[in-house]
Amino acid sequence: NAGVTQTPKFRILKIGQSMTLQCTQDMNHNYMYWYRQDPGMGLKLIYYSVGAGITDKGEVPNGYNVSRSTTEDFPLRLELAAPSQTSVYFCASSYYGSTEAFFGQGTRLTVV
Amino acid sequence: QKEVEQDPGPLSVPEGAIVSLNCTYSNSAFQYFMWYRQYSRKGPELLMYTYSSGNKEDGRFTAQVDKSSKYISLFIRDSQPSDSATYLCAITTGNQFYFGTGTSLTVIP
Repeated sequence: NAGVTQTPKFRILKIGQSMTLQCTQDMNHNYMYWYRQDPGMGLKLIYYSVGAGITDKGEVPNGYNVSRSTTEDFPLRLELAAPSQTSVYFCASSYYGSTEAFFGQGTRLTVV
Repeated sequence: QKEVEQDPGPLSVPEGAIVSLNCTYSNSAFQYFMWYRQYSRKGPELLMYTYSSGNKEDGRFTAQVDKSSKYISLFIRDSQPSDSATYLCAITTGNQFYFGTGTSLTVIP
């Protein structure tokens, strides 16, 4: 089973560029999440979705956008990249909000 | 006040030691408590899951929850070099997960 798949694994962006981080899960999970992880800061929730067509902001949504048109896919869009968005991004999914969250392997993004 | 506070470490222990990792939380509505393990350059993986006060054991790992004190702990017995990782506590009301900042553990052979 693939689980949660994130692409790309690494990316370098220039300030002001845009990109989309892809996330796909094959477990038919209802909930999907995007987190960013900075050294010593733990996981901070950017956006989450409780089902197709439904998204909501997390703790740090500014500078990001998401959509959830299917159960499987939850892409994260960065518009006008800034150095503050340099981080490791994790996508996760769970069947419900109270059940185990499965994480992807992460995308390491550097904005220069 | 943060939803979850975790002892930051880092911790460095000799092989075979007992390790104690701790978190406190602020909201008594939290119902589900988890510990995740994250190896370097990998995504977190679930280690332990519990929803009640008391202890839950799984091999060398014991998760402890004290709802009256809003305190959760993870104990690792007979620690091994393969346990070297970052451990994150996670708590959820059933809608969002709240993660601690993580404790980096190194077990020295």
